Amino acid sequence: QVQLVESGGGVVQPGRSLRLSCAASGFTFSRNAMHWVRQAPGRGPEWVAVISDDGSSKYYVDSVKGRFTIFRDNSKNTLYLQMNSLGAEDTGVYYCAKCWDCGRASYYAGAFDIWGQGSMVTVPS
Amino acid sequence: DIQMTQSPSSLSASVGDRVTITCRTGQNIRTHLNWYQQKAGKGPNLLIKTASTLESGVPPRFSGSGSGTDFTLTISGLQPEDFATYYCQQSYITPITFGQGTRLEI
Repeated sequence: QVQLVESGGGVVQPGRSLRLSCAASGFTFSRNAMHWVRQAPGRGPEWVAVISDDGSSKYYVDSVKGRFTIFRDNSKNTLYLQMNSLGAEDTGVYYCAKCWDCGRASYYAGAFDIWGQGSMVTVPS
Repeated sequence: DIQMTQSPSSLSASVGDRVTITCRTGQNIRTHLNWYQQKAGKGPNLLIKTASTLESGVPPRFSGSGSGTDFTLTISGLQPEDFATYYCQQSYITPITFGQGTRLEI
């Protein structure tokens, strides 16, 4: 069964850090680029970051550059998102997503065919 | 960044109706356009990829069309479980961008 399970969310004070994890199973994790997508309350999804299958390439949305780091451990089939200097604007549900048809030419853009259940991050204003 | 304009933002329909949702992009993305359904409290679910390819397990009443900058999602014969929010997403290049969503209500 193909599955992504996020963990690590919670309530964190402004300026502090949090690390999300995403455990993958049921597919060959090391052969797939992976993404983080977030969704603020009452808003649509917002793409956050992508990492290539081997971890050598990473891209971020401008609003998190320099604060968030995406990385992966293929030996553990796990994706991570390290979030530093958090602000109220980072509040939302964070999803990890498996990428379909992601390639280097598109900077690993693709469709998201498998999503995790989401992990809530709350940063009080 | 590629701008996404989705319309309408909300839509009222009845079971059995045929509805169409439109997505327009700010530049030519060929057919790198995907559609998702999201129900309350759940993550998005991929319905259509590359503009017109039905994802495995998705009922054939869902269909997608378009290329370049103009795309449509059509649901023929609405079922009660189809009342949800729908999003388009471009996968032409990062940063990946989504439409604002269409809330389909009874």
